[in-house]
Amino acid sequence: AQRVTQPEKLLSVFKGAPVELKCNYSYSGSPELFWYVQYSRQRLQLLLRHISRESIKGFTADLNKGETSFHLKKPFAQEEDSAMYYCALSGAGSYQLTFGKGTKLSVIP
Amino acid sequence: DAEITQSPRHKITETGRQVTLACHQTWNHNNMFWYRQDLGHGLRLIHYSYGVQDTNKGEVSDGYSVSRSNTEDLPLTLESAASSQTSVYFCASSAVASSYEQYFGPGTRLTVT
Repeated sequence: AQRVTQPEKLLSVFKGAPVELKCNYSYSGSPELFWYVQYSRQRLQLLLRHISRESIKGFTADLNKGETSFHLKKPFAQEEDSAMYYCALSGAGSYQLTFGKGTKLSVIP
Repeated sequence: DAEITQSPRHKITETGRQVTLACHQTWNHNNMFWYRQDLGHGLRLIHYSYGVQDTNKGEVSDGYSVSRSNTEDLPLTLESAASSQTSVYFCASSAVASSYEQYFGPGTRLTVT
């Protein structure tokens, strides 16, 4: 069975401080990993996916197969980064997503 | 512009009533999904469909049903609403060849009293 774990329910950081949102997964094959974000009063939207290896809004995430992790990082937090962040996994050949329970990021001005 | 919509946005119903939540997408996506979002549980998959006449159960399907008669719509029915089904419901869709990216609707907040 596949599983996504986000150990922090809430993460508070000061503006300008580095941010790291943790995500660990359990899956026997080669997964596709994603980060979705939900800003206040908005719908969920894709932030980034590991296969594209891109940086979106200053965020990056590297897939570490040895540690089965896909942590989301940003060197300098901004107030507009305050949101709910979900890590998600899709198994090979499947279009379904398994989500973690989410981490609420609060950036303190 | 293509989009995915849900209706109603808010619904209050009584225990035991049948409720249907609508989801409509104009992306022409084959794949459609229903999730519920609860504090402490994140998003959990209820049902999904990979095309017309195709429906599948997700992680938390008990008490819910879906039908797919066309590409654009995947209505979610609560057969006999229970207080445990009070939640925010999200519909999503994805294309077959989109690297699994899902596009989400705005959500429906359902309260069962």
